[in-house]
Amino acid sequence: SQTIHQWPATLVQPVGSPLSLECTVEGTSNPNLYWYRQAAGRGLQLLFYSVGIGQISSEVPQNLSASRPQDRQFILSSKKLLLSDSGFYLCAWSLGLAGGETQYFGPGTRLLVL
Amino acid sequence: QKEVEQDPGPLSVPEGAIVSLNCTYSNSAFQYFMWYRQYSRKGPELLMYTYSSGNKEDGRFTAQVDKSSKYISLFIRDSQPSDSATYLCAMPTYSGGSNYKLTFGKGTLLTVNP
Repeated sequence: SQTIHQWPATLVQPVGSPLSLECTVEGTSNPNLYWYRQAAGRGLQLLFYSVGIGQISSEVPQNLSASRPQDRQFILSSKKLLLSDSGFYLCAWSLGLAGGETQYFGPGTRLLVL
Repeated sequence: QKEVEQDPGPLSVPEGAIVSLNCTYSNSAFQYFMWYRQYSRKGPELLMYTYSSGNKEDGRFTAQVDKSSKYISLFIRDSQPSDSATYLCAMPTYSGGSNYKLTFGKGTLLTVNP
C-alpha cells in the first residue's frame, strides 16, 4: 500500500530564516506530487505541483519554491521566511495516469514564523 | 462568484443526529465530486467519491449530487463523536497530461456532542 510522509511535523522559525520541508511517497512509482498551504479561513491553496523529476509548476507567485530531486521526493523551500508564510503545509500525491483525479494527503507540517 | 462555496459552520449536533453538509459550485466542467474529512491537526483523508448525479451510500455516509442545481451534499446518519472533524468538498478538473487540479471548498467544522 502507498504511504506519504512529511517532516517535520511542527516547525517554529524566525522571520528571514530559510525553510526546507520534505515529503516522500512509498509504494507507488511516478506519482504526481502537490504542495498545499492551509491557512485559517482560507481553505486549501495549491502552491506547486509536479508530474515528474525536475518538473515543477507554480500556481501562485510567492516567497516559496519547490523541487523534485527524486521520483518520490518533493521539497518545499524558502530562502527567507515571511510572517505570512505561517500555516499548515500539506503534501499530496495522485496516480500519474487514469484515476489521477484523487489526491491523497500527508500528515502535514505546521509552520509558525515569528 | 467563487467556484466552490461551502458554509464554514461551525455545526454542532448531538450524538445520533443526522448531519447534512453541503456545497454549491459554479463550474459546469466539474464532473467528479469528493468529500474529504480532516481531523484537527491532520491531513485530509478521502471519505467519498462520486461522479454521477444521485446518491452513493457507504455505511453511515451518503453522498448526493444534483448536477442540474450544481449542488452536492454529504449526509451522516447516527452521527458519532468520532465524526467531529472538518469536512471539505472537492472537485477535480483535468489540467493536461496526467494532471488534475482539485478545487476545494473551505470546509465545514462539525462537532458531535456525546
